[in-house]
Amino acid sequence: DAKTTQPPSMDCAEGRAANLPCNHSTISGNEYVYWYRQIHSQGPQYIIHGLKNNETNEMASLIITEDRKSSTLILPHATLRDTAVYYCIVRAPRGSSASKIIFGSGTRLSIRP
Amino acid sequence: GAVVSQHPSWVICKSGTSVKIECRSLDFQATTMFWYRQFPKQSLMLMATSNEGSKATYEQGVEKDKFLINHASLTLSTLTVTSAHPEDSSFYICSAIRLAGQETQYFGPGTRLLVL
Repeated sequence: DAKTTQPPSMDCAEGRAANLPCNHSTISGNEYVYWYRQIHSQGPQYIIHGLKNNETNEMASLIITEDRKSSTLILPHATLRDTAVYYCIVRAPRGSSASKIIFGSGTRLSIRP
Repeated sequence: GAVVSQHPSWVICKSGTSVKIECRSLDFQATTMFWYRQFPKQSLMLMATSNEGSKATYEQGVEKDKFLINHASLTLSTLTVTSAHPEDSSFYICSAIRLAGQETQYFGPGTRLLVL
């Protein structure tokens, strides 16, 4: 079973920041938080991941709470091309039986013009 | 980012035939690859974990004799759907983890299978 809880859907205005929440209250100390997105009829695309600290790359920012029980993915300036299903995943490091990615239901993000 | 390809991108076959889907890591070596299946309006479901040079590990409820997985090299894994039936029609997606370096899992574009 997936270890994360996400809202089923959200919408955001184009050009605004999209903030996607994720709860992972049972996360273990060595487990990472990964975010992927899936645009319709394509394979999932890696966005970002983190362990404890906040992370930022060219696509997004990841804010992880101090207790690590929740996180927020931030798309700073959403565009229509960001419309997709976003998956928050908790995953153990390689070598662990829990290192495989199990997908939950994700959040369907719609960007409105 | 790393590139994973799948071939074919889509396939239509008659019921009872076997279909082979290839998954390749194009610019990195992968000791571990994963196969997923996705039905319309549903999330991805993990089918099996494929390790180079050893037998695949199947998830509960996935028939290993029906979904044959071969991981013969560090850049290629194949999934063969044997004696396909209409209920096997789905979107099949593979992913791969680099041999060394970051542990990020990269996904292929998927293969859409339609069994008539």
